[in-house]
Amino acid sequence: EAQVTQNPRYLITVTGKKLTVTCSQNMNHEYMSWYRQDPGLGLRQIYYSMNVEVTDKGDVPEGYKVSRKEKRNFPLILESPSPNQTSLYFCASSLMGLGGYTFGSGTRLTVV
Amino acid sequence: TQLLEQSPQFLSIQEGENLTVYCNSSSVFSSLQWYRQEPGEGPVLLVTVVTGGEVKKLKRLTFQFGDARKDSSLHITAAQPGDTGLYLCAGVSATDSWGKLQFGAGTQVVVTP
Repeated sequence: EAQVTQNPRYLITVTGKKLTVTCSQNMNHEYMSWYRQDPGLGLRQIYYSMNVEVTDKGDVPEGYKVSRKEKRNFPLILESPSPNQTSLYFCASSLMGLGGYTFGSGTRLTVV
Repeated sequence: TQLLEQSPQFLSIQEGENLTVYCNSSSVFSSLQWYRQEPGEGPVLLVTVVTGGEVKKLKRLTFQFGDARKDSSLHITAAQPGDTGLYLCAGVSATDSWGKLQFGAGTQVVVTP
């Protein structure tokens, strides 16, 4: 089944403890992207990647890192999480960006 | 400030009625996409439009892309309770990289039996 898989689905962590949210797609898509969704603010893009080793900032990149060492994987790294990064995170992938994205099921992160 | 303005923010209708959701911008888009999202789940792609003036139909849903590629609309005919959800428009600006997809704030649609 064609899908984007995110892990974990739920995560509660403490301020300052480094964490990684994994994202993997099995559709051989070139484009991958991370979003956060907050009430009243909608979906905001954190980072995106157009190919292996090619990444760029979205609208809210501060406090996040990404890497694209392989085509199928695009992990989101929070080096020192803070409470304002408590949010619902989505990973998405697309064959060519313009054609639309397949989204993962989301990761609900709480930083205390 | 959102690049894409959606209206209305909330729409509550009875089963069988029609509804239209609008997505407007002052920018030109290379691609305009519509998604539907259920609570706690990821958005699901409904349609992509790329050509000005384009009209696409998906069963009871009709999507239109403005001639100038700055706006779009989603029309649902004879709405059903299963159409309930958050409808999101998203676009790739003509001046941006293809990877930079930006979303509108969404329209919450509730269809009651």
